[in-house]
Amino acid sequence: GAVVSQHPSRVICKSGTSVKIECRSLDFQATTMFWYRQFPKQSLMLMATSNEGSKATYEQGVEKDKFLINHASLTLSTLTVTSAHPEDSSFYICSALLGPWGGFGQPQHFGDGTRLSIL
Amino acid sequence: QKEVEQNSGPLSVPEGAIASLNCTYSDRGSQSFFWYRQYSGKSPELIMFIYSNGDKEDGRFTAQLNKASQYVSLLIRDSQPSDSATYLCAVTTESGANSKLTFGKGITLSVRP
Repeated sequence: GAVVSQHPSRVICKSGTSVKIECRSLDFQATTMFWYRQFPKQSLMLMATSNEGSKATYEQGVEKDKFLINHASLTLSTLTVTSAHPEDSSFYICSALLGPWGGFGQPQHFGDGTRLSIL
Repeated sequence: QKEVEQNSGPLSVPEGAIASLNCTYSDRGSQSFFWYRQYSGKSPELIMFIYSNGDKEDGRFTAQLNKASQYVSLLIRDSQPSDSATYLCAVTTESGANSKLTFGKGITLSVRP
């Protein structure tokens, strides 16, 4: 079953609206979560790394003031797209590291994604 | 810049055949290698991960890693129509909480009944 829950699954809203997306780890504590964006026919692009209790680390070219990330607890990270415009329409996906692990890179487990459409 | 290449595709195989998906990576420091399956309109689902040179088998799936040649592949035996999806290769050079993934563009597999 799913270990990462993402909500909502789909959002359609008007330009200028702010949209909040939630990512929850189920039955485990996720100190690190990741936020990705995927445009049609393209691969996943990492937007930011979300660490519980600290500021998110954004990838180059991602506006931190536009994509606000909050990781206030060990089971919840939120992404808020502020003042969304049509070019922000995309498939947003979160993931979490399922630990503990043996020292090598941990697999990431993905939420079901949120399809955001800005009119 | 770290790159993950999946240049072949789309790939079409008949039901029951072996599907072979290939991936190369540029960073020799890469440590961990993952294959994800993504159905259209859905999020990626972890299929396999491999850390050491050689083969790793899980049911109908086999991951193969060759660090000297910097490639990783995924074999799907007895392919089924339900295997039709996009397969994403992902690589990380880090461990633990810093395990950022670099994804390839994916290979679309179609299994013909």
